[in-house]
Amino acid sequence: NAGVTQTPKFQVLKTGQSMTLQCAQDMNHEYMSWYRQDPGMGLRLIHYSVGAGITDQGEVPNGYNVSRSTTEDFPLRLLSAAPSQTSVYFCASSRDRGVNTEAFFGQGTRLTVV
Amino acid sequence: AQSVTQPDIHITVSEGASLELRCNYSYGATPYLFWYVQSPGQGLQLLLKYFSGDTLVQGIKGFEAEFKRSQSSFNLRKPSVHWSDAAEYFCAVDTGGGADGLTFGKGTHLIIQP
Repeated sequence: NAGVTQTPKFQVLKTGQSMTLQCAQDMNHEYMSWYRQDPGMGLRLIHYSVGAGITDQGEVPNGYNVSRSTTEDFPLRLLSAAPSQTSVYFCASSRDRGVNTEAFFGQGTRLTVV
Repeated sequence: AQSVTQPDIHITVSEGASLELRCNYSYGATPYLFWYVQSPGQGLQLLLKYFSGDTLVQGIKGFEAEFKRSQSSFNLRKPSVHWSDAAEYFCAVDTGGGADGLTFGKGTHLIIQP
């Protein structure tokens, strides 16, 4: 039972480069989301999805794109990386919303933009 | 809008001593509250959660937390810390349940002295 799997674990990008952070879950969860973690800022929601084909913006969506073509996968795309996107990125999933719902997190992707 | 405040950025505790990490939240309705732990280089692990009922909740690794509605607090406690408890601790409030509804505090970094 792998849970939520993120790849890669580490990445260094040059300013202006593009890349996709991968997130996959094997729990058949409908809800998936991306957070970024910055020192002294906690985790902030970037984008989320409530099911295949449905995505929406979170608190800090600028500079990021997402899509949800399958229940299992929720990739996060940086089209033109900027130093301000240097962060640790976490993907999360949950079965649904409401009482007794637990969110499961991946191990994180540490991204550095130079 | 909901918010979470963790007043202590860093806390240093001697091994074997007791621990209390503070968390205050702001939310208009009955909150769903969580404590997560992030060990160095790891993802987020759920320690415990409060949805309703008994205001003292037990979690994993010997942690407990008490919900006090009058003080809008959800402080995390452990009677005797171990060196392996050194980590970053995040309090979160969930306004809708699920992977996309979490608002995190900025975290408290726990240092354990031998």
